[in-house]
Amino acid sequence: DAGVTQSPTHLIKTRGQQVTLRCSPKSGHDTVSWYQQALGQGPQFIFQYYEEEERQRGNFPDRFSGHQFPNYSSELNVNALLLGDSALYLCASSLAGVRTGELFFGEGSRLTVL
Amino acid sequence: AQSVAQPEDQVNVAEGNPLTVKCTYSVSGNPYLFWYVQYPNRGLQFLLKYITGDNLVKGSYGFEAEFNKSQTSFHLKKPSALVSDSALYFCAVRDPNTGGFKTIFGAGTRLFVKA
Repeated sequence: DAGVTQSPTHLIKTRGQQVTLRCSPKSGHDTVSWYQQALGQGPQFIFQYYEEEERQRGNFPDRFSGHQFPNYSSELNVNALLLGDSALYLCASSLAGVRTGELFFGEGSRLTVL
Repeated sequence: AQSVAQPEDQVNVAEGNPLTVKCTYSVSGNPYLFWYVQYPNRGLQFLLKYITGDNLVKGSYGFEAEFNKSQTSFHLKKPSALVSDSALYFCAVRDPNTGGFKTIFGAGTRLFVKA
């Protein structure tokens, strides 16, 4: 049973560029949440996708956008990269019908912006 | 708005001694509370959760946590620490009154267990 998988694991971009991160949820899960974890800090909620729509959003600018596909996989896009966007980006999956359920996390994509 | 606080950046404990990692939360109504652990360069792993019922919940690797509604706390505990418990621990809260969609994490507490 595959867990949550994310790609790429590491990437380096320069300021102003755009990046796309990908996530496949745990088998059987239909909801994907994205988090940004800066060095030494806790994960910050970016947004959550369910039924191919953004269901809830954290305090992040419109430069951060996402998409969910019919197979429940998801992408996180960040435009006009800033140095401050350097972080570990975590994808977490869950089951929408189980509001009490825990999140299952991938290993993350570490983005470095130069 | 929901929030969670972990007042200690770091906790140091000797192997074999009991450990406590503190967490307080702010949520209207009855929260869903979670603890996760993160090892270096890895994603977060679920340890335990409180949804309802018994205030003392048991989880993975011998960890337990006590929900205290009057103090709005959910402290993580273990009777006897192991060196391998050294990691970063996150408390998290989900507010069912806002649809229970997003989980908010604390800043984390780094646990060092010395042999």
